[in-house]
This record gives sequence, C-alpha cells and structure tokens, in this order.
Amino acid sequence: AQSVTQLDSQVPVFEEAPVELRCNYSSSVSVYLFWYVQYPNQGLQLLLKYLSGSTLVESINGFEAEFNKSQTSFHLRKPSVHISDTAEYFCAVSPKGAQKLVFGQGTRLTINP
Amino acid sequence: ETGVTQTPRHLVMGMTNKKSLKCEQHLGHNAMYWYKQSAKKPLELMFVYNFKEQTENNSVPSRFSPECPNSSHLFLHLHTLQPEDSALYLCASSPLTGGVYEKLFFGSGTQLSVL
Repeated sequence: AQSVTQLDSQVPVFEEAPVELRCNYSSSVSVYLFWYVQYPNQGLQLLLKYLSGSTLVESINGFEAEFNKSQTSFHLRKPSVHISDTAEYFCAVSPKGAQKLVFGQGTRLTINP
Repeated sequence: ETGVTQTPRHLVMGMTNKKSLKCEQHLGHNAMYWYKQSAKKPLELMFVYNFKEQTENNSVPSRFSPECPNSSHLFLHLHTLQPEDSALYLCASSPLTGGVYEKLFFGSGTQLSVL
C-alpha cells in the first residue's frame, strides 16, 4: 500500500518570498510522483510530475520539485511566490503499472501582500 | 476549462431525497473516475470506469450508485445519504496509457450538502 504525508496543512508566506511545501511518501513498490494544484472553486490541475530521468522537475509557472529516493520525498519549491499562487497543493503517488493515485491531505498556500 | 464538465456545481439535499451528479468529457478519454474531497481529509477514490466498465469500487456504500453509459459520460446517483456524505465530489478522466496518471483531468466538482 502507499501513503502520502504533507507535513504542513497551511503555509502562509509574503509575496516574493520563497516557499517549500513538503511531501513524503511510503511505498513498497516504485512509484510515479505528482503535484496537483486546486485554485479556489476549481478542480485539481496537474502542476508537475516525476516519471523517470532527472530528479528535478519544473512547471511552467516557476515551481519545481525534486525526487529524493533515499528520503522518499518530493518537496515542492518556488523561489518567489505571487498572489496568484494562492491555492491548495496536493502531492500524489501512483504505483508503477497500477491505475491508482493516492493523494496527501493537501497544503493550503496563502500569499500575503 | 479542463474539458471535464460537472453539473450541478452545488447541490443541497435531504436525507430522503434522490439526486444525480453528472460528468461529461469530450477529451476522447477512456477512463473516468469519481473522487470525494472532504475537509481535512485526502481525496478518496470512489469508482473507476474503463471503457464503460467499472474496474474499481473502493468500498463505497451502496447509497452511492455510479453509472457510465458511454466513455464520455459518468453519473453518480445518490439516495438516502447521510450528513457525513457532505463533500466536494470530483469527476476526472484520463486516457488509458499503461496506468500512469500523467494526464488526469478533473472537473470543478459538485459541492454537496446533505441536511
């Protein structure tokens, strides 16, 4: 079985400050890793994913996440946040070869001016 | 707009009512899903349909009854719900590409309140 732990339920930061949203997972098999974002009153959207290759993956809006196999982590970072990044962020894992996606509880990112 | 449309956006129902949630996608995907999003809890997968056939029921109570008449439409029929069933119900779709969730598209959800 798989599980995902997002260590912070809420993260408040000031605009233009850096941010890190933490995600740890456990799995007995190899997994693919994802970050989804949910803006207010919307469904989830894929932000970025790690399937294979380089352990550092990037999104088009400046977020990046690094897969650390030894620490079973996939933390999400952005060097400078904007008001429009206010949303809830979900880390998720999918066992390779399985049609299954396991989500963490989410981290609410609040950007203060 | 993700290509997955859910109606209604909001629904209030009593415990004795019968209602249905609708999901529609025109992305050409062959897999469709129902998820439940409750406050303070991770998203829970409820049902999976591949090529209109149900392939997963994640121990969902029988008061939730899914229906998938074709690959583009998915329904969730509700009857005799409980207040703890109040949640955001999300529909999603994806192509069937070896089980990898790299192209999972979500609708905006139906916010359900059971009184």
